Amino acid sequence: EVQLVESGGGLVQPGGSLRLSCAASGFTFSSYSMNWVRQAPGKGLEWVSYISSSSSTIYYADSVKGRFTISRDNAKNSLYLQMNSLRAEDTAVYYCARNSLFDYWGQGTLVTVSS
Amino acid sequence: DIQMTQSPSSVSASVGDRVTITCQASQGISSWLAWYQQKPGKAPKLLIYAASSLQSGVPSRFSGSGSGTDFTLTISSLQPEDFATYYCQQANSFPYSFGQGTKLEIK
Repeated sequence: EVQLVESGGGLVQPGGSLRLSCAASGFTFSSYSMNWVRQAPGKGLEWVSYISSSSSTIYYADSVKGRFTISRDNAKNSLYLQMNSLRAEDTAVYYCARNSLFDYWGQGTLVTVSS
Repeated sequence: DIQMTQSPSSVSASVGDRVTITCQASQGISSWLAWYQQKPGKAPKLLIYAASSLQSGVPSRFSGSGSGTDFTLTISSLQPEDFATYYCQQANSFPYSFGQGTKLEIK
């Protein structure tokens, strides 16, 4: 069974940093591209970042470019999102999602940026 | 960047009704379109990919059509569990983008 489990969310002050993790199981993680998608409270879905299976190709939404860094460790079946210079508008549930089809999603982890 | 516009933003319908949701891309995306269902407090679920391919395990009352810039999601006979919010998403080019969502409510 494919499982994606996010962790690392929490309350952080504006300007702070946070690192999200996504633990994958039930499939060959190293064969799939991965994404981060976020959803602000009461709002729609926003794609955040993409990483190819080998980490050779990475893309970011303009809203996070230069502040967020996506990475993965195929040996640990894990995806990461390093978030720096956090702003109030980054407050959201962050989901990891498999593949360009977003065929499997994690349950999400809530990031709250507030003083 | 490609903008995705869904309509309507919300719709009220009854069990057994046929419902259609439309999604328009600001430029051609071939068939690189997916539809997702999201229930409150839950992660989105993939329903349709490549505009018209039904994801494994999704009931056949869901169908998708279209190519280029205009797409539709149709639910042929609404069931109680179908009341949710639906999103389209383009995977033609980065940055990927979603429609604003269509909330399907019980009449």
